[in-house]
Amino acid sequence: SAVISQKPSRDICQRGTSLTIQCQVDSQVTMMFWYRQQPGQSLTLIATANQGSEATYESGFVIDKFPISRPNLTFSTLTVSNMSPEDSSIYLCSVEDGGEGYTFGSGTRLTVV
Amino acid sequence: KQEVTQIPAALSVPEGENLVLNCSFTDSAIYNLQWFRQDPGKGLTSLLLIQSSQREQTSGRLNASLDKSSGRSTLYIAASQPGDSATYLCAVRRGAGYSTLTFGKGTMLLVSP
Repeated sequence: SAVISQKPSRDICQRGTSLTIQCQVDSQVTMMFWYRQQPGQSLTLIATANQGSEATYESGFVIDKFPISRPNLTFSTLTVSNMSPEDSSIYLCSVEDGGEGYTFGSGTRLTVV
Repeated sequence: KQEVTQIPAALSVPEGENLVLNCSFTDSAIYNLQWFRQDPGKGLTSLLLIQSSQREQTSGRLNASLDKSSGRSTLYIAASQPGDSATYLCAVRRGAGYSTLTFGKGTMLLVSP
């Protein structure tokens, strides 16, 4: 199975600042997915990141707020920009793991104060 | 639009009990269904993946069944242990050409010693 290293595991940030979350996969993958899990809620897909092209954002998410980079087939970053307390969530990256379904990173628990 | 519901939202049992978690989905045209475990503030760990053509999958004390026509899946946990305490999420994938998952809100399980 693929192994994803996600950093940071948690952070407490001031409103108005930005945080960049990194995910490193131990194998090459075509697509990487970024999810948000707000307190008490299930996971919501933010965007799909393909190497060499712009990310595809889901309804309600915009590139200015959640810019994504995908410089190669094993790495991606998600930035949460100009943060407000409403951005306090767990952010997760995910990849499709061959015939084994989807594998997720360990999550980034973000608190905005 | 696919909707996934998990019942119960929370469950508390004494150690040693066998238990069943339920997942239902509104659109039976799924490609596969995946069960995950999530510890508080952490990422997701894949437990079982059931393809649409399969009826069940087993891993250790876990058994997941799928009744695609009725839009239901169950996760059976045998001889529960305190270490099983976590939130259990089910997610469905629409089709081979669709790479995103639709999640339920999860069942929070507490197994007391």
